[in-house]
Amino acid sequence: GESVGLHLPTLSVQEGDNSIINCAYSNSASDYFIWYKQESGKGPQFIIDIRSNMDKRQGQRVTVLLNKTVKHLSLQIAATQPGDSAVYFCAELLSGNTPLVFGKGTRLSVIA
Amino acid sequence: DVKVTQSSRYLVKRTGEKVFLECVQDMDHENMFWYRQDPGLGLRLIYFSYDVKMKEKGDIPEGYSVSREKKERFSLILESASTNQTSMYLCASSGEQAGWSAREKAFFGQGTRLTVV
Repeated sequence: GESVGLHLPTLSVQEGDNSIINCAYSNSASDYFIWYKQESGKGPQFIIDIRSNMDKRQGQRVTVLLNKTVKHLSLQIAATQPGDSAVYFCAELLSGNTPLVFGKGTRLSVIA
Repeated sequence: DVKVTQSSRYLVKRTGEKVFLECVQDMDHENMFWYRQDPGLGLRLIYFSYDVKMKEKGDIPEGYSVSREKKERFSLILESASTNQTSMYLCASSGEQAGWSAREKAFFGQGTRLTVV
């Protein structure tokens, strides 16, 4: 079964507010994590990633936080915009030779 | 920019037909993957390949097979399509690139929405 899961399947936020999308993982041996955004009718697109030797990484308006103690990953989106409305997936890479394992996704809806 | 191209955006096939879904990537990536995506179930791995003529079963390989005769092309085959294979199919590729190892950042195609009637 999947070792990557989500705390909330849907999230609605007001335009301009910050969004936080959460992800729990169960395998402490995972050493790489990645977030994807999937807009309606499109394939997933890379947003940001982080390795297990870091606890925070920032991009443009996005920040990923990694808490290895509780095996928790979050994606923060600053000043959420209507164009941020999408399904967001986290994925983890286990050690060895296995491919990325994806969570079920969180749908983010931005209310104008 | 990496481009992963899936041959069809939409397909409608009849039960029992043999269906081919084609995927081509232009970045000389070693690794290619086929996922299916269903509401509430996320992305589930069907098959993957880390080299030409190599294939590995993913989490849900039953009813599917794959072919990787050339590095840039990875085909998913539904031997005898069934209605429970109606889904969105996503192809992805990954490879060694500046800052990432070969199994990390994967690039996805636009998806093929397959309906089996």
